[in-house]
Amino acid sequence: QSALTQPRSVSGSPGQSVTISCTGTSSDVGGYNYVSWYQQHPGKAPKLMIYDVSKRPSGVPDRFSGSKSGNTASLTISGLQAEDEADYYCCSYAGSYTSVFGGGTKLTVL
Amino acid sequence: QVQLVQSGAEVKKPGASVKVSCKASGYTFTSYYMHWVRQAPGQGLEWMGIINPSGGSTSYAQKFQGRVTMTRDTSTSTVYMELSSLRSEDTAVYYCAPGGVWLLRYWGQGTLVTVSS
Repeated sequence: QSALTQPRSVSGSPGQSVTISCTGTSSDVGGYNYVSWYQQHPGKAPKLMIYDVSKRPSGVPDRFSGSKSGNTASLTISGLQAEDEADYYCCSYAGSYTSVFGGGTKLTVL
Repeated sequence: QVQLVQSGAEVKKPGASVKVSCKASGYTFTSYYMHWVRQAPGQGLEWMGIINPSGGSTSYAQKFQGRVTMTRDTSTSTVYMELSSLRSEDTAVYYCAPGGVWLLRYWGQGTLVTVSS
């Protein structure tokens, strides 16, 4: 169960769009449509932002969207806002009731 | 609304065990699986395992097999995570997170476990 691969950091200016990638294998990301994304501000618990690759929980702005192609999932944040600055983690089901997280990506809003 | 109350911070010596609790309310306790996730200082999230509160079945990450035990008490809507043979690398914030088998929908406030001699 190796961690999924995410870029360590991404950045963008207010109003721009950024995309965070999450690369796994055919045993996790590529094998199931069960990728979720979590936002974590410093000192806080993570918050669910996207689940089942592209679904948004109630209350999450539609600026946040998810997609998947092969073994790579992506989180896109459009219309960047200052409050979007946080760490983002992807997570994928890996079979047999197990899951695996990505290493996390720090988003900086310039 | 869903509320998760985790037990307080712990300081343990290397080789000891720690048991963290997570009391759930605001939903039917057996409706959601419960995940445990930890985060070492300055590091990322690490999935540890999952328990089905309905039947008590568990699945653990390979890394923690043999060292972690997850249990539940349906009478108090509480799940427990016990980690044994603690070492300094186990210093982390431990979170409980109910949801689906592949989904961590809600998160507890976290419990800091410090392992130090």
